[in-house]
Amino acid sequence: SQQGEEDPQALSIQEGENATMNCSYKTSINNLQWYRQNSGRGLVHLILIRSNEREKHSGRLRVTLDTSKKSSSLLITASRAADTASYFCATESGGSYIPTFGRGTSLIVHP
Amino acid sequence: GAVVSQHPSRVICKSGTSVKIECRSLDFQATTMFWYRQFPKQSLMLMATSNEGSKATYEQGVEKDKFLINHASLTLSTLTVTSAHPEDSSFYICSAVDPNTEAFFGQGTRLTVV
Repeated sequence: SQQGEEDPQALSIQEGENATMNCSYKTSINNLQWYRQNSGRGLVHLILIRSNEREKHSGRLRVTLDTSKKSSSLLITASRAADTASYFCATESGGSYIPTFGRGTSLIVHP
Repeated sequence: GAVVSQHPSRVICKSGTSVKIECRSLDFQATTMFWYRQFPKQSLMLMATSNEGSKATYEQGVEKDKFLINHASLTLSTLTVTSAHPEDSSFYICSAVDPNTEAFFGQGTRLTVV
Protein backbone atom coordinates (compact mmCIF):
# COMPACT_ATOMS: atom_id res chain seq x y z
CA SER A 1 0.00 0.00 0.00
CA GLN A 2 1.10 3.57 -0.49
CA GLN A 3 3.05 5.22 2.29
CA GLY A 4 1.57 8.67 2.03
CA GLU A 5 -2.11 9.42 1.81
CA GLU A 6 -3.27 12.94 1.10
CA ASP A 7 -6.49 14.38 2.37
CA PRO A 8 -8.72 15.70 0.94
CA GLN A 9 -8.58 14.09 -2.49
CA ALA A 10 -10.11 17.18 -4.00
CA LEU A 11 -10.36 20.76 -2.79
CA SER A 12 -12.17 23.64 -4.46
CA ILE A 13 -11.77 27.17 -3.11
CA GLN A 14 -12.02 30.80 -4.14
CA GLU A 15 -9.04 32.94 -4.94
CA GLY A 16 -7.69 34.60 -1.83
CA GLU A 17 -8.71 31.79 0.50
CA ASN A 18 -6.24 29.51 2.22
CA ALA A 19 -5.87 25.88 1.16
CA THR A 20 -4.83 23.18 3.57
CA MET A 21 -3.86 19.69 2.51
CA ASN A 22 -2.90 16.88 4.82
CA CYS A 23 -0.70 13.86 4.40
CA SER A 24 -0.58 10.82 6.64
CA TYR A 25 1.97 8.05 6.50
CA LYS A 26 2.52 4.73 8.15
CA THR A 27 6.17 4.14 8.96
CA SER A 28 9.04 6.21 10.32
CA ILE A 29 10.55 8.58 7.79
CA ASN A 30 13.76 10.47 7.13
CA ASN A 31 12.03 13.29 5.38
CA LEU A 32 8.80 14.27 3.72
CA GLN A 33 8.47 16.30 0.56
CA TRP A 34 5.62 18.11 -1.06
CA TYR A 35 5.36 18.33 -4.83
CA ARG A 36 3.10 20.13 -7.22
CA GLN A 37 2.03 18.81 -10.57
CA ASN A 38 0.18 20.78 -13.18
CA SER A 39 -2.02 18.71 -15.45
CA GLY A 40 0.10 16.61 -17.78
CA ARG A 41 3.36 18.10 -16.56
CA GLY A 42 6.23 16.89 -14.44
CA LEU A 43 6.63 17.31 -10.75
CA VAL A 44 7.82 20.51 -9.18
CA HIS A 45 9.45 20.22 -5.81
CA LEU A 46 7.95 22.57 -3.24
CA ILE A 47 9.37 21.87 0.19
CA LEU A 48 11.37 19.19 1.95
CA ILE A 49 10.95 18.83 5.70
CA ARG A 50 13.20 16.54 7.67
CA SER A 51 12.03 14.30 10.47
CA ASN A 52 13.63 16.54 13.11
CA GLU A 53 11.87 19.64 11.83
CA ARG A 54 8.37 20.71 12.75
CA GLU A 55 7.63 23.59 10.44
CA LYS A 56 9.02 25.18 7.29
CA HIS A 57 8.01 28.16 5.22
CA SER A 58 8.57 29.08 1.61
CA GLY A 59 6.77 32.13 0.32
CA ARG A 60 3.05 31.46 0.63
CA LEU A 61 3.66 27.84 1.57
CA ARG A 62 3.80 26.53 5.11
CA VAL A 63 4.49 22.89 5.87
CA THR A 64 4.19 21.24 9.25
CA LEU A 65 5.29 17.81 10.34
CA ASP A 66 4.04 15.88 13.35
CA THR A 67 6.03 12.67 13.61
CA SER A 68 4.04 11.51 16.63
CA LYS A 69 0.90 11.53 14.52
CA LYS A 70 2.74 10.55 11.35
CA SER A 71 1.19 13.43 9.50
CA SER A 72 2.10 16.57 7.60
CA SER A 73 0.13 19.51 6.31
CA LEU A 74 0.67 21.90 3.45
CA LEU A 75 -0.92 25.33 3.76
CA ILE A 76 -1.13 27.66 0.79
CA THR A 77 -2.09 31.13 1.91
CA ALA A 78 -3.89 33.73 -0.21
CA SER A 79 -4.41 31.23 -2.99
CA ARG A 80 -4.35 32.22 -6.64
CA ALA A 81 -5.93 30.66 -9.69
CA ALA A 82 -2.42 29.69 -10.79
CA ASP A 83 -2.14 27.44 -7.72
CA THR A 84 -4.62 25.08 -9.37
CA ALA A 85 -2.75 21.77 -9.59
CA SER A 86 -2.35 18.42 -7.93
CA TYR A 87 -0.25 18.29 -4.80
CA PHE A 88 1.55 15.18 -3.65
CA CYS A 89 3.41 14.29 -0.52
CA ALA A 90 6.27 11.85 -0.74
CA THR A 91 8.12 10.19 2.09
CA GLU A 92 11.61 8.75 2.24
CA SER A 93 12.50 6.08 4.76
CA GLY A 94 15.70 4.31 5.68
CA GLY A 95 18.60 4.86 3.31
CA SER A 96 16.76 4.07 0.12
CA TYR A 97 16.21 7.59 -1.26
CA ILE A 98 13.12 6.17 -2.89
CA PRO A 99 10.27 8.63 -2.48
CA THR A 100 6.92 6.96 -1.97
CA PHE A 101 4.01 9.00 -3.17
CA GLY A 102 0.48 9.43 -1.97
CA ARG A 103 -2.50 9.74 -4.29
CA GLY A 104 -2.44 13.51 -4.27
CA THR A 105 -4.88 16.32 -3.62
CA SER A 106 -6.44 18.02 -6.59
CA LEU A 107 -6.73 21.72 -5.82
CA ILE A 108 -8.91 24.03 -7.88
CA VAL A 109 -8.75 27.75 -7.16
CA HIS A 110 -11.57 29.69 -8.75
CA PRO A 111 -10.77 33.24 -9.87
CA GLY B 1 19.74 23.77 -7.96
CA ALA B 2 20.23 20.35 -9.44
CA VAL B 3 18.45 19.70 -12.71
CA VAL B 4 17.24 16.50 -14.24
CA SER B 5 16.47 16.61 -17.93
CA GLN B 6 14.03 14.14 -19.41
CA HIS B 7 13.57 13.78 -23.15
CA PRO B 8 11.32 13.71 -25.07
CA SER B 9 8.53 15.53 -23.29
CA ARG B 10 5.93 14.12 -25.66
CA VAL B 11 6.00 11.23 -28.09
CA ILE B 12 3.42 9.58 -30.28
CA CYS B 13 4.28 6.22 -31.73
CA LYS B 14 2.61 3.46 -33.66
CA SER B 15 1.59 0.25 -31.99
CA GLY B 16 4.37 -2.31 -32.20
CA THR B 17 7.24 0.15 -32.30
CA SER B 18 9.71 0.92 -29.52
CA VAL B 19 10.26 4.23 -27.79
CA LYS B 20 13.30 5.36 -25.84
CA ILE B 21 13.09 7.93 -23.06
CA GLU B 22 16.23 9.54 -21.68
CA CYS B 23 16.85 10.86 -18.20
CA ARG B 24 19.95 12.93 -17.55
CA SER B 25 21.29 14.48 -14.41
CA LEU B 26 22.88 17.73 -15.55
CA ASP B 27 25.05 18.83 -12.67
CA PHE B 28 25.52 15.86 -10.42
CA GLN B 29 26.37 12.19 -10.71
CA ALA B 30 23.50 9.90 -9.97
CA THR B 31 24.32 6.31 -9.16
CA THR B 32 20.62 5.69 -8.73
CA MET B 33 17.73 6.79 -10.88
CA PHE B 34 14.08 5.85 -10.66
CA TRP B 35 11.39 5.45 -13.25
CA TYR B 36 7.77 6.13 -12.43
CA ARG B 37 4.56 5.77 -14.34
CA GLN B 38 1.43 7.76 -13.83
CA PHE B 39 -2.02 6.99 -15.12
CA PRO B 40 -4.52 9.84 -15.47
CA LYS B 41 -5.68 11.22 -12.14
CA GLN B 42 -3.60 8.73 -10.20
CA SER B 43 -0.41 8.91 -8.24
CA LEU B 44 3.05 8.04 -9.39
CA MET B 45 3.88 4.37 -9.27
CA LEU B 46 7.47 3.25 -9.07
CA MET B 47 8.36 0.98 -11.98
CA ALA B 48 12.01 0.28 -11.43
CA THR B 49 15.22 1.40 -9.78
CA SER B 50 18.09 1.98 -12.16
CA ASN B 51 21.60 1.46 -10.79
CA GLU B 52 24.65 2.58 -12.72
CA GLY B 53 26.64 -0.36 -13.98
CA SER B 54 24.21 -3.05 -12.90
CA LYS B 55 20.82 -4.44 -13.78
CA ALA B 56 17.72 -2.49 -12.88
CA THR B 57 15.48 -3.64 -10.07
CA TYR B 58 11.87 -3.90 -11.20
CA GLU B 59 8.80 -3.56 -9.03
CA GLN B 60 6.33 -6.39 -8.87
CA GLY B 61 4.10 -6.53 -11.90
CA VAL B 62 6.44 -4.54 -14.17
CA GLU B 63 7.66 -6.54 -17.16
CA LYS B 64 11.40 -6.14 -17.47
CA ASP B 65 11.40 -7.32 -21.07
CA LYS B 66 8.77 -4.73 -21.89
CA PHE B 67 10.40 -1.82 -20.13
CA LEU B 68 14.12 -1.99 -20.76
CA ILE B 69 16.25 0.16 -18.52
CA ASN B 70 19.87 1.01 -19.14
CA HIS B 71 22.01 3.08 -16.79
CA ALA B 72 25.28 3.15 -18.67
CA SER B 73 26.76 6.24 -17.09
CA LEU B 74 26.48 8.24 -13.90
CA THR B 75 24.42 10.89 -15.64
CA LEU B 76 22.17 8.97 -18.01
CA SER B 77 19.46 6.37 -17.66
CA THR B 78 17.18 5.29 -20.49
CA LEU B 79 13.81 3.61 -20.47
CA THR B 80 12.81 1.81 -23.65
CA VAL B 81 9.20 0.77 -24.06
CA THR B 82 9.42 -2.17 -26.44
CA SER B 83 6.68 -3.21 -28.83
CA ALA B 84 4.45 -0.48 -27.47
CA HIS B 85 0.70 -0.96 -27.29
CA PRO B 86 -2.09 1.54 -26.58
CA GLU B 87 -2.27 0.37 -22.96
CA ASP B 88 1.32 1.57 -22.53
CA SER B 89 0.14 5.12 -23.14
CA SER B 90 0.93 6.95 -19.96
CA PHE B 91 3.04 9.62 -18.32
CA TYR B 92 6.53 8.46 -17.44
CA ILE B 93 8.74 10.37 -15.00
CA CYS B 94 12.29 9.75 -13.95
CA SER B 95 14.09 10.92 -10.87
CA ALA B 96 17.78 10.99 -10.08
CA VAL B 97 19.32 10.88 -6.64
CA ASP B 98 21.96 13.41 -5.71
CA PRO B 99 23.75 11.56 -2.93
CA ASN B 100 24.42 14.82 -1.14
CA THR B 101 20.84 16.01 -1.04
CA GLU B 102 17.73 14.37 -2.40
CA ALA B 103 15.93 13.03 -5.43
CA PHE B 104 15.19 15.38 -8.31
CA PHE B 105 12.58 14.78 -10.96
CA GLY B 106 12.49 15.18 -14.70
CA GLN B 107 9.66 16.95 -16.42
CA GLY B 108 8.08 13.73 -17.59
CA THR B 109 7.27 12.14 -20.93
CA ARG B 110 3.76 11.83 -22.26
CA LEU B 111 3.65 8.65 -24.36
CA THR B 112 0.73 8.05 -26.68
CA VAL B 113 0.60 4.80 -28.61
CA VAL B 114 -1.79 4.80 -31.56
